[in-house]
Amino acid sequence: GNSVTQMEGPVTLSEEAFLTINCTYTATGYPSLFWYVQYPGEGLQLLLKATKADDKGSNKGFEATYRKETTSFHLEKGSVQVSDSAVYFCALRRDRVRGSTLGRLYFGRGTQLTVWP
Amino acid sequence: GAVVSQHPSRVICKSGTSVKIECRSLDFQATTMFWYRQFPKQSLMLMATSNEGSKATYEQGVEKDKFLINHASLTLSTLTVTSAHPEDSSFYICSARDYTGDHTDTQYFGPGTRLTVL
Repeated sequence: GNSVTQMEGPVTLSEEAFLTINCTYTATGYPSLFWYVQYPGEGLQLLLKATKADDKGSNKGFEATYRKETTSFHLEKGSVQVSDSAVYFCALRRDRVRGSTLGRLYFGRGTQLTVWP
Repeated sequence: GAVVSQHPSRVICKSGTSVKIECRSLDFQATTMFWYRQFPKQSLMLMATSNEGSKATYEQGVEKDKFLINHASLTLSTLTVTSAHPEDSSFYICSARDYTGDHTDTQYFGPGTRLTVL
């Protein structure tokens, strides 16, 4: 089946610290991988994505590399800010699949990040 | 980027009433929309996949007669919680799929609707 496993939070860091949130996946076929961010009381926003092995997604200082050999898509940021405090979700989407669930995302449980000044 | 709106953002209703939540894609056409439910400090639970012009596909354990989904146009899907009860209180999030072929396939999420049933 398809599933995503994220490191459990919460993660608490000081401003300018290095961030890693681990994400591993199980999927058949050729999934695309995503990181979404959810700020308090809001919906999800796409942070970055990678659609094939060895692709690196990046946005707002965050990066994640699609590692097929380790089935991982870890999120990293070199220097976090207070404004990065949010919940981060790793997700996969199975592509090249026919049927009504085409395009469905499978989410991890989310990791709460809190950054202190 | 593409925008998806939800209305209302918050709703409080009495037990036994029905509540309709709208999800609109504002600058693209979405043949597929998804409805999720999120409990506090938990991940998103997919409730159903809504395809324009056809019946929604519900996930196992989701009552289709309780959560009515209509996707009447390429920019609008609605979720109606019928005869709502306190256990239906939750954060409901929709997403719309912007798909135009191999190069564009992105899901955009609405801001969510907080439903409280008294």
